[in-house]
Amino acid sequence: QQQVKQSPQSLIVQKGGISIINCAYENTAFDYFPWYQQFPGKGPALLIAIRPDVSEKKEGRFTISFNKSAKQFSLHIMDSQPGDSATYFCAARTQGGSEKLVFGKGTKLTVNP
Amino acid sequence: GAGVSQTPSNKVTEKGKYVELRCDPISGHTALYWYRQSLGQGPEFLIYFQGTGAADDSGLPNDRFFAVRPEGSVSTLKIQRTERGDSAVYLCASSLDRSTDTQYFGPGTRLTVL
Repeated sequence: QQQVKQSPQSLIVQKGGISIINCAYENTAFDYFPWYQQFPGKGPALLIAIRPDVSEKKEGRFTISFNKSAKQFSLHIMDSQPGDSATYFCAARTQGGSEKLVFGKGTKLTVNP
Repeated sequence: GAGVSQTPSNKVTEKGKYVELRCDPISGHTALYWYRQSLGQGPEFLIYFQGTGAADDSGLPNDRFFAVRPEGSVSTLKIQRTERGDSAVYLCASSLDRSTDTQYFGPGTRLTVL
């Protein structure tokens, strides 16, 4: 049972464009939603994260939009750059449990020059 | 250290053999996690340590998998009687404590079972 569903599986964007990746969840006990960026041969690195009491969080070119009623959240990358080409994972965690992260299947982003 | 380190970076073994994978968390981090990442998939949780004890081992797929953290720092993931299906990247992550959100991942160990 996949607890966090991520789409699209792959995404191609032109330099300067906006990249949008979406995630949906079912477990209403989730209370922390991070996005991780992973380059080939490297471990995932935290990009940005949000809690459900906030509808939007922005850090530089990266923005998370969160819709608690729809149980959806998305990552927006503004002014996408070739260096942003990587695989992006959304995740969710339930506090008070084991603190384990439940990951989506990932989105491979390619930003063309 | 500056980050989470894992050794070896690559491990090739034969079906049926025993392997050990090591994780050195960030100094001072009390929480440690093991995840497994298959090709084209997101990381999947295996086990979580708070200090020396395994607080949650619900993600271990079967009793061939075992992990220890005897002194509350370095952890070793042990796989007995390896199978081809065990081939994956094994990731370790640490966080300051269980109340801290951010998990910092190591580069992983790529395990190949022939």
